[in-house]
Amino acid sequence: DAGVIQSPRHEVTEMGQEVTLRCKPISGHDYLFWYRQTMMRGLELLIYFNNNVPIDDSGMPEDRFSAKMPNASFSNLKIQPSEPRDSAVYFCASKTGWGEKLFFGSGTQLSVL
Amino acid sequence: KQEVTQIPAALSVPEGENLVLNCSFTDSAIYNLQWFRQDPGKGLTSLLLIQSSQREQTSGRLNASLDKSSGRSTLYIAASQPGDSATYLCAVNTGTASKLTFGTGTRLQVTL
Repeated sequence: DAGVIQSPRHEVTEMGQEVTLRCKPISGHDYLFWYRQTMMRGLELLIYFNNNVPIDDSGMPEDRFSAKMPNASFSNLKIQPSEPRDSAVYFCASKTGWGEKLFFGSGTQLSVL
Repeated sequence: KQEVTQIPAALSVPEGENLVLNCSFTDSAIYNLQWFRQDPGKGLTSLLLIQSSQREQTSGRLNASLDKSSGRSTLYIAASQPGDSATYLCAVNTGTASKLTFGTGTRLQVTL
């Protein structure tokens, strides 16, 4: 199994530009999570999906952030417009069931200049 | 609101030592607790998952214990090796939502 696959690994963009982060969960996993990690705030849950349906997006910082999961094998997280304070590592994670282990992707390092 | 604390924030030990990492949480009504390892520039790797009904889990040189009533978990690493150097995070699953609350981690360095 290839694990959770995220792209791109690194993204450098200018303030005001749209950013799209992509994630392919592990096949058969029903839950998908988007996390953000910074030195100051640690790991924060942004949103999670169950069977492609968004369940809890209370961690999405503002309307500039949106996430979709059009099918079981793909999700994207968009930031429009991006701001320097969005600079962080964004992780996607998936798991099979409610009480099961969570598997993380390698993350996308986002830098907004 | 669940809060997870990990002490110490950083730890350096010589190779071969046994060590204990600590995790505490404020709301004892958890469903499970998970220990992760994170290497620099990488994602998190799940090490051990303890369900609320369990007291401990073991994998190789790792042993994690859970005392739900006191809001504590420990990760015991036996015969530490330089390859164990990483940041270790614990995370708890609280409530009906399938969300994990993470601690800030313990950065471990095992020296030769």
